[in-house]
Amino acid sequence: ETGVTQTPRHLVMGMTNKKSLKCEQHLGHNAMYWYKQSAKKPLELMFVYNFKEQTENNSVPSRFSPECPNSSHLFLHLHTLQPEDSALYLCASSPVIGGFEEKLFFGSGTQLSVL
Amino acid sequence: GQQVMQIPQYQHVQEGEDFTTYCNSSTTLSNIQWYKQRPGGHPVFLIQLVKSGEVKKQKRLTFQFGEAKKNSSLHITATQTTDVGTYFCAGHRSNDYKLSFGAGTTVTVRA
Repeated sequence: ETGVTQTPRHLVMGMTNKKSLKCEQHLGHNAMYWYKQSAKKPLELMFVYNFKEQTENNSVPSRFSPECPNSSHLFLHLHTLQPEDSALYLCASSPVIGGFEEKLFFGSGTQLSVL
Repeated sequence: GQQVMQIPQYQHVQEGEDFTTYCNSSTTLSNIQWYKQRPGGHPVFLIQLVKSGEVKKQKRLTFQFGEAKKNSSLHITATQTTDVGTYFCAGHRSNDYKLSFGAGTTVTVRA
């Protein structure tokens, strides 16, 4: 158990559905991240929040909408996804952003399948 | 393009043998981190190296940061089935606060 909890673990959705991924960290960290992990591809950084303020949007399509109500919670709202969006979505937290103290603690991920 | 390269992409190892995987950056890194992701799992932080030429050991794993701080290696001795997984390196490039990940080396072990 890493202290970062993601729900749901698995999600199957149609292209017209709206769903949300949830992430909660119990580590007292200030930074939270969304990463996309596709088969045989590097980890892709999607969004970064520092003290609940978005500091990075890595050219992510608008069908992915993040929300960070506080430093402990992070959501990823999904709307009209495409089959190529099927992947493992990983949430992570870190004490800080940048520098030697930035160490990522990942959640177990949500395995998303878009039909 | 990808800033941090890892080779090989796949490593098939006979149980009991040693192997090394490499991480190379086109620019100087201020630090290097290594993560391990077991099959079906999530990446887990293993270690961080900060100093030029630094070497750290964790049991059968030896991590090294190059003198020029542009490359790193992970050497595993006497490979065991518990070493199966994908090993990622990640680092902060100079003047960039973002952590850049390599694509990983996926290790399989033949018993």
